[in-house]
Formats: sequence, structure tokens, C-alpha cells
Amino acid sequence: EAGVTQFPSHSVIEKGQTVTLRCDPISGHDNLYWYRRVMGKEIKFLLHFVKESKQDESGMPNNRFLAERTGGTYSTLKVQPAELEDSGVYFCASSQGWQGYGYTFGSGTRLTVV
Amino acid sequence: AQKITQTQPGMFVQEKEAVTLDCTYDTSDPSYGLFWYKQPSSGEMIFLIYQGSYDQQNATEGRYSLNFQKARKSANLVISASQLGDSAMYFCAMRGYTGGFKTIFGAGTRLFVKA
Repeated sequence: EAGVTQFPSHSVIEKGQTVTLRCDPISGHDNLYWYRRVMGKEIKFLLHFVKESKQDESGMPNNRFLAERTGGTYSTLKVQPAELEDSGVYFCASSQGWQGYGYTFGSGTRLTVV
Repeated sequence: AQKITQTQPGMFVQEKEAVTLDCTYDTSDPSYGLFWYKQPSSGEMIFLIYQGSYDQQNATEGRYSLNFQKARKSANLVISASQLGDSAMYFCAMRGYTGGFKTIFGAGTRLFVKA
């Protein structure tokens, strides 16, 4: 089966610009998660979708971040306007359920804001 | 609050030897899951092993085993017969009801396997 796909793999943008990250989960996985790892720091939860609904968005840092999941399939994470501290690797993951299921992660999008 | 602690920023191991990566956690949940992930230099995160808090036996997956000591709140990863391809970052993680089912991660341990 195809894995979790993220693109772009890298993005370099200027402060103040907008960037949209996309994640295609494994087909049939209702649960989709976004995480972020800022350089050298821990992997931090951003939000969790169950199908098209936001189950938990407590990790979203501020209102410059907007996540959507159209029709319960792919998801986008938009940062507008980007700030320097938004730089990091953004991971998407999906899972069938939670009990006993490890996530399948995408390869991540490395975002650099200059 | 839930927390995962990995106290070893880096570890070295000789090829073919076993290595233990430490992980301690803190939670008040009666039921939770513990996970280990591997992140090689290519960047993707790979799920390795899962341990449920009520599981009586330690989880094993091939060369990976999880040394689960519930009373001590530790979930160490043991890699037997290390291979050069095991060189990577390793993250311990936990998921529980209190956290709303979101997984929290430790800071990671970078493992270097020497030939």
C-alpha cells in the first residue's frame, strides 16, 4: 500500500509569505495528525483530524496556522503569514485507530523561513 | 500532565552488540500506549514497537524489544545484534486518554553503530 505522502519535501520562503503543506494519508485511515519539530527540539503535536473533523487542535501555535481536511481525504496546513520561528520539519501521520496502532508518518516537509 | 523523558542525547554501540535506549514517562492515565519510532538520516519516521500499559508481557518485534517496567514508569528499547543501518534517531512516545489520544514524544536519542 502507498504510504503517507507529504509535499513539498522542502520549502524556503520569506518572512510574511504564505506556505501550504499537503499530506495524503494512507487510504482508509480516518485519523490524520500534524506534528512539528523545530530544530533540535521535541516533536510537538499540532492537531488531529478524524475524517474531516478536527478532533483536537490544541497544539496549533496561533491563528496563523490553518489546517483543513477536505472530504476526509488529504489535508493541508497553511501558514500565513510565516514567521522565522515557524521554521522546522512538519510531519503528517495517519492511523486506523489509536489502541495499539503506531502511526505511519510521511517523510516530512522541511520549512525554512528566511 | 503527560511527559516523556529520554536522558541520552547520543549513544554509541559496536556492531553486533545489544544496546538499550532509555525512556521514562509520566502519566496519570490508567490505560496508555507506549511507542518507539526510528528516524534515519533520510528523515522519515518509522514505527518500531508498541506496548500497552495492561500488557503482561514485554513487546518484541524482531530485533527490537521493549523492556516495560510499569512501577518504575520506564519503557526502554533494546536493540539486539546492532547493525550499521540502526544508526538513527530514536524517539520514545506515549498516548493516553488524558492527552486526548494525541501522541507525545521524547526529545530523542541519536544512536551511532560502529563497525
